[in-house]
Amino acid sequence: GAGVSQSPSNKVTEKGKDVELRCDPISGHTALYWYRQSLGQGLEFLIYFQGNSAPDKSGLPSDRFSAERTGGSVSTLTIQRTQQEDSAVYLCASSFPLRGNNEQFFGPGTRLTVL
Amino acid sequence: RKEVEQDPGPFNVPEGATVAFNCTYSNSASQSFFWYRQDCRKEPKLLMSVYSSGNEDGRFTAQLNRASQYISLLIRDSKLSDSATYLCVVTLFSGGYNKLIFGAGTRLAVHP
Repeated sequence: GAGVSQSPSNKVTEKGKDVELRCDPISGHTALYWYRQSLGQGLEFLIYFQGNSAPDKSGLPSDRFSAERTGGSVSTLTIQRTQQEDSAVYLCASSFPLRGNNEQFFGPGTRLTVL
Repeated sequence: RKEVEQDPGPFNVPEGATVAFNCTYSNSASQSFFWYRQDCRKEPKLLMSVYSSGNEDGRFTAQLNRASQYISLLIRDSKLSDSATYLCVVTLFSGGYNKLIFGAGTRLAVHP
């Protein structure tokens, strides 16, 4: 079946512009996560959705970052007034946390470059 | 101190070698443990779960020592296709859900 998809795969933007990154989770997965991975670094947690609500936003680095999820499905991560330090790969993952199954399935990521 | 610590490597080994990766975690309340694999410029994918009793999947053996808060991954008879970054992952029940905490990864390069 279809996995997690993300768009765009690559985004180059100028400092100060806003960007929107999209994630389509696996159908039926109730949990959705956004992570950020800088070059050569580990995954940095950003936000967790259960359905359309976000009980854990603790990883969002600043108020320039926001995310929403609609219909318990698609999620959008928005970065306003982008800065060069926002350059990274943004990964989305989804899961169906039933009976302790914690496996997260990742999308291919969006590579963001802020010039 | 990082919540999950790994030797970043790289580990450069010849085909057929046995290689072991270690990982330590700081929070004793961590509940579940995994190894994920991430190929260059690709997304992470679950490799295997880790249990105190140890578990084996073909050439891969994972082990957990809760007392020492230590996780290991052993790869026997390395193949070129094993070249990747191996991420140690623990879960922590926080904010009403099982949060995955990722290590920064250990890079493995298998050469002919």
